[in-house]
Amino acid sequence: GAGVSQSPRYKVAKRGQDVALRCDPISGHVSLFWYQQALGQGPEFLTYFQNEAQLDKSGLPSDRFFAERPEGSVSTLKIQRTQQEDSAVYLCASGQQGYEQYFGPGTRLTVT
Amino acid sequence: DAKTTQPTSMDCAEGRAANLPCNHSTISGNEYVYWYRQIHSQGPQYIIHGLKNNETNEMASLIITEDRKSSTLILPHATLRDTAVYYCIVRLLDSNYQLIWGAGTKLIIKP
Repeated sequence: GAGVSQSPRYKVAKRGQDVALRCDPISGHVSLFWYQQALGQGPEFLTYFQNEAQLDKSGLPSDRFFAERPEGSVSTLKIQRTQQEDSAVYLCASGQQGYEQYFGPGTRLTVT
Repeated sequence: DAKTTQPTSMDCAEGRAANLPCNHSTISGNEYVYWYRQIHSQGPQYIIHGLKNNETNEMASLIITEDRKSSTLILPHATLRDTAVYYCIVRLLDSNYQLIWGAGTKLIIKP
């Protein structure tokens, strides 16, 4: 069956550019999470949605990071004025309450 | 900070059982132990979870000590495709919230 998909898989951006990363969760999954994973480290939480409501954005590192899920399905993570420290893999996960999270393959962002 | 500690890396021979330990000495009574793995260049994959009883599924077995302060993930017959980083995480079952990840154990299966 269809899992979580993310696009693009790879993104190279010049410092200062804006980027938008897309996540298509598993159909019907209420919960959606974004994580950031630096090389050699475990994922770190960025933000969480329940349907279209963003219930927790405490992990977003700065106001340059913005996430939305307007219709409660597809989500977009936007990073404005990218900086080199934003280079990482951005993971999206979806799930149902009380059950495991299913992860997408991630988007590898490289800021040059 | 992650609530678990795991060895940085481990090796295991192909076909043998791989036993991955995890310490979670501060686990609370209603927190579950979850295991995920991440194969290179892929997103994390759920393996198994448990509260206090041992659990088994088609991928692995989870052994939790009686005091719940540690656990072991067992891959009964490791294959080369099991080479990955394995993460042990504790969380509330009913929580929709984030998973808090440590650095995990890099498991290398050798032919």
